[in-house]
Amino acid sequence: AQTVTQSQPEMSVQEAETVTLSCTYDTSESDYYLFWYKQPPSRQMILVIRQEAYKQQNATENRFSVNFQKAAKSFSLKISDSQLGDAAMYFCAYRSATGTASKLTFGTGTRLQVTL
Amino acid sequence: KAGVTQTPRYLIKTRGQQVTLSCSPISGHRSVSWYQQTPGQGLQFLFEYFSETQRNKGNFPGRFSGRQFSNSRSEMNVSTLELGDSALYLCASSLGVASTGELFFGEGSRLTVL
Repeated sequence: AQTVTQSQPEMSVQEAETVTLSCTYDTSESDYYLFWYKQPPSRQMILVIRQEAYKQQNATENRFSVNFQKAAKSFSLKISDSQLGDAAMYFCAYRSATGTASKLTFGTGTRLQVTL
Repeated sequence: KAGVTQTPRYLIKTRGQQVTLSCSPISGHRSVSWYQQTPGQGLQFLFEYFSETQRNKGNFPGRFSGRQFSNSRSEMNVSTLELGDSALYLCASSLGVASTGELFFGEGSRLTVL
């Protein structure tokens, strides 16, 4: 079974600064997807960024980028130029690319605070 | 394009009762997954339906059940409610084929069991 670990329950960053959220995972599969989801206080989970395991290039979406280290099973999220709207719970998630099932395995989340 | 719609948003029940939650996926999506979110256990996978068939099931008791209709809308039912069933229940939809990967979530149904 796959597991996802987020070791930082809470993080804080000043506006305009950069913060990195950590995520490690365990799997015996070679083909999978990794995601970072954001859940603001309004509760709706929003996809921030995704990474296909077969791609060596790290994914980037505007101010959000990942550092994907497949051998180390590490998938960290870097948020640059942090904004107040970035304050939320961030969940790292794993999905197998084998078969067609859509099950996500989530980490426990990191609460990000953005201060002025 | 309308997003994933969950109803009701909030509900209060008492122990022993049953509850039905509804989820309408994004148009064209054939897969609907359900997750339970609690402060203690985090986000846990309940089950997934694809083309009216349960494709995957999490580690929950038989009191938790679901179904999917021909229009891809899904319902989940919890019978004989327990205090520990209080949670945010999230529904997610996707196209249902492995090549896409992305799930889209609804805002959730907040269930309180008294």
